[in-house]
Amino acid sequence: SQTIHQWPATLVQPVGSPLSLECTVEGTSNPNLYWYRQAAGRGLQLLFYSVGIGQISSEVPQNLSASRPQDRQFILSSKKLLLSDSGFYLCAWSSANTEAFFGQGTRLTVV
Amino acid sequence: GQQVMQIPQYQHVQEGEDFTTYCNSSTTLSNIQWYKQRPGGHPVFLIQLVKSGEVKKQKRLTFQFGEAKKNSSLHITATQTTDVGTYFCAGPFGYGGSQGNLIFGKGTKLSVKP
Repeated sequence: SQTIHQWPATLVQPVGSPLSLECTVEGTSNPNLYWYRQAAGRGLQLLFYSVGIGQISSEVPQNLSASRPQDRQFILSSKKLLLSDSGFYLCAWSSANTEAFFGQGTRLTVV
Repeated sequence: GQQVMQIPQYQHVQEGEDFTTYCNSSTTLSNIQWYKQRPGGHPVFLIQLVKSGEVKKQKRLTFQFGEAKKNSSLHITATQTTDVGTYFCAGPFGYGGSQGNLIFGKGTKLSVKP
């Protein structure tokens, strides 16, 4: 069966520090991969999605970037975090035209 | 740009009352999906609607997809405290209706008073 792993679960980082969140999927090939951000009590904002290795589409201009070095690995990065980067970051995967499966999420607090 | 609008943003009901959330897309969708997020959790898939005018039921939950495939609704009959959470609709805006660009509505947060 398919599983998605996302870590860490919580993270507290100082302003200006770098960020790296990793997400891996098991049990499927060539999944669509997504990074969403959810501010406290708000909706899901699509940040990046990828339909294949090295293919990244950005939905929102910001100081974040994403990479897909392997078929089932999706990484969210930042060189310098801002206070406004705080939020709940969710990784998800889907196959073509099927539902999305979410990881447990990373709660990031930038201080 | 591609948008999925969802109303209301919040809904407070007494246990036993009905609840409905509405979703509208800026463009025609190949399918629409509904998710539930419990407090502190991650979104979990509920259902996918594909056909124009489709209606699906899951126990007390009824999902509808509009004839033009641009709107949808979720109706819960006789809410229970276990229904608490945020309900999201989502639509794929990828090329040719592919899943690549999955956009979520802002969600409707449901609270149920026992």
